[in-house]
Amino acid sequence: KQEVTQIPAALSVPEGENLVLNCSFTDSAIYNLQWFRQDPGKGLTSLLLIQSSQREQTSGRLNASLDKSSGRSTLYIAASQPGDSATYLCAHDRGSTLGRLYFGRGTQLTVWP
Amino acid sequence: DTEVTQTPKHLVMGMTNKKSLKCEQHMGHRAMYWYKQKAKKPPELMFVYSYEKLSINESVPSRFSPECPNSSLLNLHLHALQPEDSALYLCASSQEQGSQPQHFGDGTRLSIL
Repeated sequence: KQEVTQIPAALSVPEGENLVLNCSFTDSAIYNLQWFRQDPGKGLTSLLLIQSSQREQTSGRLNASLDKSSGRSTLYIAASQPGDSATYLCAHDRGSTLGRLYFGRGTQLTVWP
Repeated sequence: DTEVTQTPKHLVMGMTNKKSLKCEQHMGHRAMYWYKQKAKKPPELMFVYSYEKLSINESVPSRFSPECPNSSLLNLHLHALQPEDSALYLCASSQEQGSQPQHFGDGTRLSIL
């Protein structure tokens, strides 16, 4: 069974802090790695997609990296804002045509003013 | 605004009712997915359609019946559900089955009385 672990499960920080969310996986056949954001009662929004040949992706204040050899990915959020409060999930696929995603349980982030 | 539209947003039904969840996308994607998400848990894949044909059924009970009438629409027909089926049901689509990212709708919050 493929396991994806996200640490910490919850995080509460004051506005302005730089954050690191962690994702680790047991699967040795990682292909693409994605980070999603989920607001309460809503669907998932894809934030960053690290494709198979890449090791890093950046979008605005977000930066995600992937180290397949150690089975880890990190999501770095710079200068956090209250609007960043949400649950962040990482997920990977195995590059097959099935399209199955293996999700972590998420990190619930609260950024207070 | 999400590019995958799900209706209704909320649904309350009794165990003997028959209802349907609907999902629509106009991005020209040829793969569509149904996920089930319980509180504080990651999404679990239920079904995958590729080019309007059922590709994956993750051993879902027959009280859930998917249908893909055309390339833009995906339905999930519900009958004789159990209280443990209460969850957020998410629809997603991608260019092809296996391609990333998957684009998610905001989900239908289903409560079974």
